[in-house]
Amino acid sequence: DQQVKQNSPSLSVQEGRISILNCDYTNSMFDYFLWYKKYPAEGPTFLISISSIKDKNEDGRFTVFLNKSAKHLSLHIVPSQPGDSAVYFCAASAINNNDMRFGAGTRLTVKP
Amino acid sequence: NAGVTQTPKFQVLKTGQSMTLQCAQDMNHNSMYWYRQDPGMGLRLIYYSASEGTTDKGEVPNGYNVSRLNKREFSLRLESAAPSQTSVYFCASSLQGAAGELFFGEGSRLTVL
Repeated sequence: DQQVKQNSPSLSVQEGRISILNCDYTNSMFDYFLWYKKYPAEGPTFLISISSIKDKNEDGRFTVFLNKSAKHLSLHIVPSQPGDSAVYFCAASAINNNDMRFGAGTRLTVKP
Repeated sequence: NAGVTQTPKFQVLKTGQSMTLQCAQDMNHNSMYWYRQDPGMGLRLIYYSASEGTTDKGEVPNGYNVSRLNKREFSLRLESAAPSQTSVYFCASSLQGAAGELFFGEGSRLTVL
């Protein structure tokens, strides 16, 4: 069962504009959420995270929003840059549980 | 700054052959993980080790075995490879388990013919 879902396989945006990547989850026990970025032929790298006690976390150009009632989170990248072109994975875990679940990923392309 | 190191990076096997993927981390992390990545499926957890001496099944453990050799090393074994195990395998480690970020290796691409 896919407990973390990223329904958009791909997204294309113009350089300088906002990129919004979405993620939905089904397991109400999840209380920690992360975004990872992956370039071809490399392992995923951590980008930003949020715990369930917050609804927003910001780090430079990257902001993650969490809507617990809707079981939805999103990653905003402003402004988008060509170097942001990568696959972005949403991930979630529950406290005291080492089972971190990932979504299928969204391929972001930022056009110059 | 090695981080998480996986070997081999590429491997081709015939159906029924066995092999072991090796993983080592030099960050003194307690938890280690094996994931597989398949198109349209994202990363799926095969096995994890919360601490030295313990291992647990993840989402897709069938056909695999693991060994947490010591705090640094966590190996993944395919006893009798099947074409369905063709995938990219990633090892990861974490200081705080799934309550913290995972650090991933570069991946091992396995093809089973």
